[in-house]
Amino acid sequence: AQSVTQPDIHITVSEGASLELRCNYSYGATPYLFWYVQSPGQGLQLLLKYFSGDTLVQGIKGFEAEFKRSQSSFNLRKPSVHWSDAAEYFCAVVPSTSGTYKYIFGTGTRLKVLA
Amino acid sequence: DTGVSQDPRHKITKRGQNVTFRCDPISEHNRLYWYRQTLGQGPEFLTYFQNEAQLEKSRLLSDRFSAERPKGSFSTLEIQRTEQGDSAMYLCASSIEGTGSGYTFGSGTRLTVV
Repeated sequence: AQSVTQPDIHITVSEGASLELRCNYSYGATPYLFWYVQSPGQGLQLLLKYFSGDTLVQGIKGFEAEFKRSQSSFNLRKPSVHWSDAAEYFCAVVPSTSGTYKYIFGTGTRLKVLA
Repeated sequence: DTGVSQDPRHKITKRGQNVTFRCDPISEHNRLYWYRQTLGQGPEFLTYFQNEAQLEKSRLLSDRFSAERPKGSFSTLEIQRTEQGDSAMYLCASSIEGTGSGYTFGSGTRLTVV
């Protein structure tokens, strides 16, 4: 079965420190990959997406993610975290053969930023 | 266009009552999705519309749940005879077919069944 794993439930970093959030997927072929951010009580906002091509993708708010086929991973990174980045982050996949574009989400990583 | 709107933002209901939520997608988006998110989990797919046609429903969507999208514009999600297990955030999202642009999510409706 297709699945998405975000191994870290909670991550705490200091403001200005670098960040890496992990995402691994289980799927036979390379799916479409997404990262979303959710602030408390809000919907989800798209940070970035990967469909094909360059494996390093740039997103909004200074985030980037790298697709590694050999590791079935799509980790999210930011070189310097701001206090406003505190939120929950979700990795999602869509099978590339999907006609419905139905997302499979990970369980999320909650980011806390220390001043 | 102000994005995807969901109404109400919060709903508290007694067990056994019926509730209905509304979603207004971005006007040019022909695809509309409903997801359910429980505490500590990622969103789970419930159902999907392309224009007015409901093309897929999750097994999570029991017979007590029904969704409509008349005229391919706004959508409603109704839960009949609510149960405490229905307490969750219900998220609506819309997208344009074939663009790969990803979804635009609404802010969700938080349902609490007491």
